[in-house]
Formats: sequence, C-alpha cells, structure tokens
Amino acid sequence: AQKITQTQPGMFVQEKEAVTLDCTYDTSDPSYGLFWYKQPSSGEMIFLIYQGSYDQQNATEGRYSLNFQKARKSANLVISASQLGDSAMYFCAMSYTGGFKTIFGAGTRLFVKA
Amino acid sequence: NAGVTQTPKFRILKIGQSMTLQCTQDMNHNYMYWYRQDPGMGLKLIYYSVGAGITDKGEVPNGYNVSRSTTEDFPLRLELAAPSQTSVYFCASSYPTGTGSVDTQYFGPGTRLTVL
Repeated sequence: AQKITQTQPGMFVQEKEAVTLDCTYDTSDPSYGLFWYKQPSSGEMIFLIYQGSYDQQNATEGRYSLNFQKARKSANLVISASQLGDSAMYFCAMSYTGGFKTIFGAGTRLFVKA
Repeated sequence: NAGVTQTPKFRILKIGQSMTLQCTQDMNHNYMYWYRQDPGMGLKLIYYSVGAGITDKGEVPNGYNVSRSTTEDFPLRLELAAPSQTSVYFCASSYPTGTGSVDTQYFGPGTRLTVL
C-alpha cells in the first residue's frame, strides 16, 4: 500500500542555516511524483517543489532542493539559508495512478529562530 | 489571476444540517480534488474529478457528494452534518501534462467547517 512517512513532528533551525526535513515513501507503482507543500499559520497550501520518479536529477527551486534517493525511497526537503518566514508546517506528498491519487504525510512543523 | 477560489471561508453547522462548499478554478484545469485536513494531520482525499461529468471516490468519501457539471466548478455537498466532519476543506486543481508524468496540484485557501 502507498504510504508517506514524516518522522519529525517538529524541528528548530537557526536563521541563515540549512535544514533537512525527512520524508520516506512506499509504493509499488513505478510512476509516481513526490511533492513538498508549505502551510503557514494562515492555512493555505503552497506548492514548493516536485520530483518525478523517472527524473535523474534532484529537483531544485530557489532555496529549496529535494534530495531524492530512489533506492532508499526517500525524498527529503533541504531548505538553504533559512529565513524567519520559513516557519510553517511542511507536508510531503506522493501522487500515483496517473496523478489522480495523492497521499500526504502528517507534516513537520519548522521553527526558525532569530 | 484568481487560481482556485473557495467559499465560504468559515462556517458553523448544527448536527444534521446540510451545506455545499463551493470551489471554482479559472486555470482551465481538467482535474479537480477535494481534501479534508483534520487538526494536526495531513490532507486526505475525499473525491476527485478528471473532467466535467466524471467523478470518483477518494480515501474518505462517506458523508459527502460531488458533482462536476462544468470544467470550472466542483462543489462538495455535505448531507446530515456530523461532528466528525469538523475539519478544514481544501479544493485543488491540476492540468494533465502527459503520460508518465504527475501533475502538480494547486490549492484553494480552504474552508474551515465546524459542526456542533
């Protein structure tokens, strides 16, 4: 069965430092996509980054990069040079079956300290 | 550029009442989705639609109904509201980019529903 696991309920990071948020997944579907979303305290879901299962290179979007290790079934989010505005809940998600089905992890709450 | 819009933003229902959550997207996306997010949890898929007239159940469809008469609109109907349906509801949409690829979903701002 498909599953997404985020083992870090909460994390602290010092401003301007890098932080890695962990995500592992399980699926038997050969075609899938991995996403990270940010949910600030205002509640909206903001798309950050996407990695396809067939992509050879790790995805990057500005200060966000996705460390994709297919054999280990992990898709960790790396945020470089953390900013106070990065304090939020972060969700890892996986889409499969042609993208119709998406499952989300429980989330990691990130606190950035000044 | 409106993207995905949802109304209302907040609603309080009494047990047994019914209501419709509205969702509209202006990006001409074929696929639309309804999720619920319970406190401290990730999102769970309620229903999805791959085009006008075509809908299917997600992970937690019980107690809900949907319809898709146009590409733009995907309303979610709650019949006989129960306290277990207290949650934040998100609508999302995506555009199919082709075989073998997976589509990024764009979310509306959410509707916070409380059933008392």
